[in-house]
Amino acid sequence: SQQGEEDPQALSIQEGENATMNCSYKTSINNLQWYRQNSGRGLVHLILIRSNEREKHSGRLRVTLDTSKKSSSLLITASRAADTASYFCATVNSGYSTLTFGKGTMLLVSP
Amino acid sequence: DGGITQSPKYLFRKEGQNVTLSCEQNLNHDAMYWYRQDPGQGLRLIYYSQIVNDFQKGDIAEGYSVSREKKESFPLTVTSAQKNPTAFYLCASSKEWESTEAFFGQGTRLTVV
Repeated sequence: SQQGEEDPQALSIQEGENATMNCSYKTSINNLQWYRQNSGRGLVHLILIRSNEREKHSGRLRVTLDTSKKSSSLLITASRAADTASYFCATVNSGYSTLTFGKGTMLLVSP
Repeated sequence: DGGITQSPKYLFRKEGQNVTLSCEQNLNHDAMYWYRQDPGQGLRLIYYSQIVNDFQKGDIAEGYSVSREKKESFPLTVTSAQKNPTAFYLCASSKEWESTEAFFGQGTRLTVV
C-alpha cells in the first residue's frame, strides 16, 4: 500500500522560480524522506527529516514536516533546468521499517 | 567506487519464461530491497531482506522469488506466474534495517514480448 501522496502530480515553472511540492501521509512515521528520479534512472536520496524535526535544509532544498497534519513539503529555491525530474516522498512508519513511496511529482523547469 | 549495480539494463522475456534480475552492492549494507515501478503508480515493494539468508514479502510478492545467500547480492526472479511483469524494476540497499536512506541501482526495464 502507498502511504504518501504528492501534490501536485505535475509542476511546470521557469528557471529561477521556486518549486514547492507537498506530501501527505496516513499513519504515524519514524521519518520522511524525499528522493529524486531522472527519467528512466534510479532514485537519488535528497533529504531525511525525522518525526521530531520540523524543518531541514540542504543547499537549495528546504523540507518541512507537520506531524499534526501528517504532511511535508519540499521547496526547491532558484530552480534550474537540471532540476527537471520526478520527486518522491517516502515514509518509514513507526513499527514497520520499510520505505513506502508516494506516486511522485513531475517537475519541469524551463530555461 | 561504492554503489549498487543492476543488470541487465533492458531485458526481454517471452511469455511463460522465468527471468532473473541481478542486484549487487559493495556498500556493505545489511538491508536490500526490490521495488517495481509502473507509470503513474510510484514504487511498490516486492521483497526485502534485512540480513543474509533471510527475506520477507512486500506488498506485491506474488509471481516473484528472491534469494539472499551473500550480503552483496539479492537477485530477483520474475516467474511465469507473474501476470503482468512488464515494468521498471529497482533494487535498493540501506546500511541498517531501520530509518536510514536507501541507495538505488539504475534499474532494469523488463518487457514481455
